[in-house]
Amino acid sequence: GNSVTQMEGPVTLSEEAFLTINCTYTATGYPSLFWYVQYPGEGLQLLLKATKADDKGSNKGFEATYRKETTSFHLEKGSVQVSDSAVYFCALSDILTGGGNKLTFGTGTQLKVEL
Amino acid sequence: NAGVTQTPKFQVLKTGQSMTLQCAQDMNHEYMSWYRQDPGMGLRLIHYSVGAGITDQGEVPNGYNVSRSTTEDFPLRLLSAAPSQTSVYFCASSYIRTGGNYGYTFGSGTRLTVV
Repeated sequence: GNSVTQMEGPVTLSEEAFLTINCTYTATGYPSLFWYVQYPGEGLQLLLKATKADDKGSNKGFEATYRKETTSFHLEKGSVQVSDSAVYFCALSDILTGGGNKLTFGTGTQLKVEL
Repeated sequence: NAGVTQTPKFQVLKTGQSMTLQCAQDMNHEYMSWYRQDPGMGLRLIHYSVGAGITDQGEVPNGYNVSRSTTEDFPLRLLSAAPSQTSVYFCASSYIRTGGNYGYTFGSGTRLTVV
């Protein structure tokens, strides 16, 4: 079946450092790809998405490009802040029998940003 | 505020007890789902529903029951709790349109401990 692989965490960075969180996927067809963020004690929030090859999703300074040739969707940010400390999940959409899609998630990568 | 409401936020059960986790959404979403989140495993789909009266199993359905009598509510029932069901549970809902799901919204989660 379809799957998502993310880099292990935690990732610890100093404020203003460059961030990359790697994500690769295995899927049949051309799923939509997502990054979700989970702040401590909260549910998941959509950070950005891309629906087809070469699309770039962006939000709040984060970016990710849908690379079909490498089956990747790496998350990047040029200058992280302490407030970016959270767990980041890469996900793809999977078609469900009976209609609709479900999200298949990676294991999550915890990011800690220090002053 | 519109969104997905989960209750309770925390619960401790003894092995063999039963309980129902509540989930309600006020966005008129067709699709509702339950995920469990475990360390190192990301989020895994338990059950889902594409409309009132329609439910189906996800990846890890054993030990859980669901029903969908209204568009708004999608309760998750544990009939006989086991320690392996200790987890954080998230409810999510979305629209279903041609091409996929839109407006995926997660609740804030229920942290369940089975002793």
